[in-house]
Amino acid sequence: GAVVSQHPSRVICKSGTSVKIECRSLDFQATTMFWYRQFPKKSLMLMATSNEGSKATYEQGVEKDKFLINHASLTLSTLTVTSAHPEDSSFYICSARRTSGAKNIQYFGAGTRLSVL
Amino acid sequence: AQKITQTQPGMFVQEKEAVTLDCTYDTSDPSYGLFWYKQPSSGEMIFLIYQGSYDQQNATEGRYSLNFQKARKSANLVISASQLGDSAMYFCAMREVFGNEKLTFGTGTRLTIIP
Repeated sequence: GAVVSQHPSRVICKSGTSVKIECRSLDFQATTMFWYRQFPKKSLMLMATSNEGSKATYEQGVEKDKFLINHASLTLSTLTVTSAHPEDSSFYICSARRTSGAKNIQYFGAGTRLSVL
Repeated sequence: AQKITQTQPGMFVQEKEAVTLDCTYDTSDPSYGLFWYKQPSSGEMIFLIYQGSYDQQNATEGRYSLNFQKARKSANLVISASQLGDSAMYFCAMREVFGNEKLTFGTGTRLTIIP
């Protein structure tokens, strides 16, 4: 399968600081990447769709000024959690869509566990 | 709106036995894709198998097969000859073909393989 790298895998930060998470597709180009949030023992919740060269599309209820998304190249999307607070502590996971006819599989990174103190 | 239902929160299966994980879906779109992902305790989501709504045959990938029953709107995952490494969370997901192709996930099934 395709490889998607997500970094860092774990980050601990103080309340009020900003944290940047990177998502890279290593062996394919991805015009579209997705950012999800997962609470313990829950399913994945889509936060936003990241489109290369254009603004991200945010899901209802997700603060775009809080979760900044940049998709500057066909292999890299970043999520910046601005002025993080303890309630932002969660598991964040990205995916990159690999186009292949009708399939268009989303391949996921390994996730980032964010802990805000 | 799309909806995915996984009714089995947890399953315990003896090693080497086959296991079926249930998934039903609801959509008004005539064209869609169905996916299964595996999430081990490490957290990464591993793509297992894909089934297109117009595919005539059930998808298979090694020990994984998808029992697709379109009229019943079900897409069950079958794992043959289960192994200890199969212990994980399993998520069924559906993708709308038109639009931004975002995935809708079910609530998952935690599978535990017993030695």
